[in-house]
Amino acid sequence: DAKTTQPTSMDCAEGRAANLPCNHSTISGNEYVYWYRQIHSQGPQYIIHGLKNNETNEMASLIITEDRKSSTLILPHATLRDTAVYYCIVRVPYTGTASKLTFGTGTRLQVTL
Amino acid sequence: IAGITQAPTSQILAAGRRMTLRCTQDMRHNAMYWYRQDLGLGLRLIHYSNTAGTTGKGEVPDGYSVSRANTDDFPLTLASAVPSQTSVYFCASSGTPTTGTGRPYGYTFGSGTRLTVV
Repeated sequence: DAKTTQPTSMDCAEGRAANLPCNHSTISGNEYVYWYRQIHSQGPQYIIHGLKNNETNEMASLIITEDRKSSTLILPHATLRDTAVYYCIVRVPYTGTASKLTFGTGTRLQVTL
Repeated sequence: IAGITQAPTSQILAAGRRMTLRCTQDMRHNAMYWYRQDLGLGLRLIHYSNTAGTTGKGEVPDGYSVSRANTDDFPLTLASAVPSQTSVYFCASSGTPTTGTGRPYGYTFGSGTRLTVV
């Protein structure tokens, strides 16, 4: 699995956009970038994923650079409830068998008033 | 609501005792997983199952066993618990991509079981 590098922590004011970066310079051509978050003591929650095109859903936007070596998760209007640890994960290619998610240490996002 | 149910929510267990953590999903996902989460170590894969009737070892399988008798259930058993197995355990599942798209699905996680072995 390609390894990912994320900042340990970030702060964001409530109502502002939170931009969480992730480096994955060793990503291979058929690996997807996934983002999950974990709010204190809860199970990880899926946010969004993409291959090469930018993606948007009701929770967030994912911007992947053209060379695919890095990506940014954008929470457009952060709220206090978005305070969590955010994990950027590169998923091994699907081969018809279960493929694990390799979790790093993530970015701890603190949203403040 | 579709998802994963884990039980118990928390448990204090005497060392040497046997314990089964239950996991049930209602999404008809083929693949299921057990992770443990420890402070400073993140989530680590214990065992997984591609489909009913098959299981495999993850990163930290020692001291744990699993079974997959049907699609919905994936119990994790600690045959003889030790204090180092004190952790939060998460069950997860993932579906198979639709034919021809190859677009891998995201995982769904349960809410976890907090286990303390004393």
